Amino acid sequence: QKEVEQDPGPLSVPEGAIVSLNCTYSNSAFQYFMWYRQYSRKGPELLMYTYSSGNKEDGRFTAQVDKSSKYISLFIRDSQPSDSATYLCAIGDGDMRFGAGTRLTVKP
Amino acid sequence: NAGVTQTPKFRVLKTGQSMTLLCAQDMNHEYMYWYRQDPGMGLRLIHYSVGEGTTAKGEVPDGYNVSRLKKQNFLLGLESAAPSQTSVYFCASSSAGGIYEQYFGPGTRLTVT
Repeated sequence: QKEVEQDPGPLSVPEGAIVSLNCTYSNSAFQYFMWYRQYSRKGPELLMYTYSSGNKEDGRFTAQVDKSSKYISLFIRDSQPSDSATYLCAIGDGDMRFGAGTRLTVKP
Repeated sequence: NAGVTQTPKFRVLKTGQSMTLLCAQDMNHEYMYWYRQDPGMGLRLIHYSVGEGTTAKGEVPDGYNVSRLKKQNFLLGLESAAPSQTSVYFCASSSAGGIYEQYFGPGTRLTVT
């Protein structure tokens, strides 16, 4: 079993939809949770960063951590075609483990 | 600031050939990393360095060697390339450990035939 599991998709939604991206993890000691966004043929860029449990909001993006279920989510409200990218979760306690990435396409 | 740069951007090798990938960062970061990215596998850590002159193995180190002779540069070497090493290679750097934001380069697409 991988330490971090992420549904690779692909996920296709119409513009304006609410998108939910998810990861699960196996080690309850993990305290650091990140979401990276990767555009096609580019390197990943940090999008959201949370420590421990709870929610964090940044504009149209909300990161949610449920440590009791070992489950994290990234919500995108009012999705735009410019949000089309691969989203990778990174979870760990110092050494970060990356998920496989979910490819998202937002259609105009 | 250029951030993290990688050389070359593309390369095709024959099985058994060797090559070196160069990563450079101008952010004065202590930590540097080499990852490979394959479809369905995500980013897997090959080697990393916590400072000039230090290196350590990551998740998938076999077939690769690294060196960090200067703080700003991190080299990844393939001594005898194999088709299984066909991948996209990313270099990253961070100010401290992995819990801090990692800044990634644009990647090197390597094909081994």
